[in-house]
Amino acid sequence: DAKTTQPPSMDCAEGRAANLPCNHSTISGNEYVYWYRQIHSQGPQYIIHGLKNNETNEMASLIITEDRKSSTLILPHATLRDTAVYYCIDLSKTSYDKVIFGPGTSLSVIP
Amino acid sequence: DAGVIQSPRHEVTEMGQEVTLRCKPISGHDYLFWYRQTMMRGLELLIYFNNNVPIDDSGMPEDRFSAKMPNASFSTLKIQPSEPRDSAVYFCASSFGLAGFTGELFFGEGSRLTVL
Repeated sequence: DAKTTQPPSMDCAEGRAANLPCNHSTISGNEYVYWYRQIHSQGPQYIIHGLKNNETNEMASLIITEDRKSSTLILPHATLRDTAVYYCIDLSKTSYDKVIFGPGTSLSVIP
Repeated sequence: DAGVIQSPRHEVTEMGQEVTLRCKPISGHDYLFWYRQTMMRGLELLIYFNNNVPIDDSGMPEDRFSAKMPNASFSTLKIQPSEPRDSAVYFCASSFGLAGFTGELFFGEGSRLTVL
């Protein structure tokens, strides 16, 4: 049972773009891709979601490949406050009414 | 709206004592979730409710854990008796509609439980 996979950790220089990848090879046609982040000791915070098209909001951009088997979360100008754990929701375990979190990617933004 | 409100923020208790964690979801939200977070196991879904009715409690670790939602604005997670391995941060979250479809989860600040 394949599931969402993310690198456990990444570094990014302050002011540069942070590109966080996620593989979701078993995604079905009507499942959304969701991203959350968790800053140390706080509750997770919703970032963005998408279905097929690329999405952008005030926090980030989401790029979804045409076959929808992977996505990339982009923080265009990372700041120190973006240091957090980023979760691409585990779609293989998520039904429409609940959200299951995997281990995520720990992003460190370096001055 | 004040967001999801959890209490207490910190709880230190001794093994064998009863612990009750409380959550007030965002007004109008029809889903409520309880999660537990530890370093070893990450963020685990314990139970969730829809319109005050428990939908899935398969994540509840054992019979010592129970959760209730007597009305749309209040939920409790109870541990009786508590054990040191229950030490964790417990998060409550709420959503309007299907959080895995087009909605999003709103989390509280968590209740940090330490069982000695």
